Amino acid sequence: DGGITQSPKYLFRKEGQNVTLSCEQNLNHDAMYWYRQDPGQGLRLIYYSQIVNDFQKGDIAEGYSVSREKKESFPLTVTSAQKNPTAFYLCASSTHTGNYGYTFGSGTRLTVV
Amino acid sequence: QKEVEQNSGPLSVPEGAIASLNCTYSDRGSQSFFWYRQYSGKSPELIMFIYSNGDKEDGRFTAQLNKASQYVSLLIRDSQPSDSATYLCAVNRVEGGADGLTFGKGTHLIIQP
Repeated sequence: DGGITQSPKYLFRKEGQNVTLSCEQNLNHDAMYWYRQDPGQGLRLIYYSQIVNDFQKGDIAEGYSVSREKKESFPLTVTSAQKNPTAFYLCASSTHTGNYGYTFGSGTRLTVV
Repeated sequence: QKEVEQNSGPLSVPEGAIASLNCTYSDRGSQSFFWYRQYSGKSPELIMFIYSNGDKEDGRFTAQLNKASQYVSLLIRDSQPSDSATYLCAVNRVEGGADGLTFGKGTHLIIQP
């Protein structure tokens, strides 16, 4: 079955540590996205990529970095510069037009300890 | 920056009744609108998308779009307890491209048995 796989499901980060969240899709979608969701809040766009080897900042990119070396993969690194990283992180993908909506992975819940 | 507004609720509806969820948007140029359902602790799943003024029906769900008044609504007929979730309204950040969606904060719907 086609879909998006995010790992790990739960992640704990120590202060000052960088962590990388994995996102893999087998939907043959061109575009991929990272969103962050805080309790009681809507989704906020961190980064997105429309094609391999290219990506753009979303609305809240500070403290995050991404890469898009393969069409199927779009990992997100939460750096130590992100001062409030505790959140639910969602990866999504879409066709190159986004006209038919986005498909989301199951999410990674990141907690700072 | 585009804005999407939703009443956070909770909206409480008796089982078997019609649930009506509303969303307003700020950019008159928006063309594509999406409704997602999100169960607690889970990722959003796409219910419907709508581009044209008027109604679009899919099973028990009907999306309604009124571009002149800049609102989009979702009706759920014969509401079931399994419909209890948060419903997110979204619009394209940039029309015609895969540049991410802007989400409202969602309406929490409770279907009372």
